[in-house]
Order: sequence, then structure tokens, then C-alpha cells
Amino acid sequence: DSGVTQTPKHLITATGQRVTLRCSPRSGDLSVYWYQQSLDQGLQFLIQYYNGEERAKGNILERFSAQQFPDLHSELNLSSLELGDSALYFCASSVGGGPEQYFGPGTRLTVT
Amino acid sequence: QQQVKQSPQSLIVQKGGISIINCAYENTAFDYFPWYQQFPGKGPALLIAIRPDVSEKKEGRFTISFNKSAKQFSLHIMDSQPGDSATYFCAASKGRGSTLGRLYFGRGTQLTVWP
Repeated sequence: DSGVTQTPKHLITATGQRVTLRCSPRSGDLSVYWYQQSLDQGLQFLIQYYNGEERAKGNILERFSAQQFPDLHSELNLSSLELGDSALYFCASSVGGGPEQYFGPGTRLTVT
Repeated sequence: QQQVKQSPQSLIVQKGGISIINCAYENTAFDYFPWYQQFPGKGPALLIAIRPDVSEKKEGRFTISFNKSAKQFSLHIMDSQPGDSATYFCAASKGRGSTLGRLYFGRGTQLTVWP
């Protein structure tokens, strides 16, 4: 158990809908990263927050947004969902924003 | 563009054998190279990591070999066990010592260890 928690574990929704994925980092970690894992793209970095502020953006679509709250938990919002958004979404956390990251169990999103 | 290239895509090894997975990178700014292990239905778990000032790092049955001049690194699993059957990902980051530690992942290697 990495200490990173993610909810929900599974999510099934229809095209055009909006969903929110939640992540709680390990105790003491200030940084949260979001990654998407799919068969065709592999593990892709989406976005990073450090102590409440956005630090880096990767291959994140404009339909997706995220935030990190004062208690350091983070939410990833996915809107206008398309079939191609079906994937595993992982949250990872690190102490100081560095690369030693610990991953949560993921949220499996299925868009039908 | 894949910044970290990983091979092979799949690997079958007999119990007790040595599993070797290779990765290559181009960006010389990378300064941290971890390996992750992922079981079905689980998140990637940090296995072992190396920095470019060291050529080898060993933790139990797992060893990373690093060749800075060739821009390659590899994971060796000694005495492979059926419980090692999983997908292994190499990764790289240029965020060591900073607050920008995003990871660039290889495509993964599915390892199967036969009993």
C-alpha cells in the first residue's frame, strides 16, 4: 500500500458527461501528479500540483482540469467525455515535488 | 515522441533465471531513472531507482545497470520467481532536486516467469 488513495475505483459514464476523480496524497507529501494509462498511449503525464499551485502541464486536454485543495487532496475533472477518454487514471504524490513518486491504485473510467 | 524507449515488449523466463529489461533515452537532462512494477488492477509501485552518477544499484534481487555514455539503463531480476510476473516500466525525470519531477515512461514490459 503506497499510502495514496483514489476514489472511485471504477466509473462508468456516458459520452458527453462530466466526472470528478479524487486523490489524497501520502501524509506529508506536498505534490500531486495525475497520469493517464491507456493501451495505445501508455502512461502519460497530465498535470502536477505543488502545495496548491499548478506546477506543470503535460498532455492534458482542454476538457480536463484539476485542482489541489488546502488539505492537499486533488481532484481531476473530465468533461464532455468521449469514448477515447476511457482509461486508467492514476494519481501519484511526492514529498517535495521531485521525481520519487508513489502511485495510488487508480480509477478505471469507462465511457460508453 | 517517446522520450524513453523500452524493450522487449514481453519476456518469458523460467523460474530461477535472469530477467533483463532494457531502456534507452535521448534527453541528457534526465537525472533520475526509476523502475516501476505493476500488477493487474494495481497502480505502479516504485521498485528501484538510480541517478546518473552511479553505474549500478542493487536492491535484493533487483539491479539497475546504467550506461551514461550510451544513454541506456537496464533492470536485471536475478533468480526470477513466479511472483515477479508483472508489467515493468522504466521512466526518466529531469526534476531531481526540484519541484518539477514529472516522469516520462517507457511502454512497459510484460514479464512472465514460468514455475
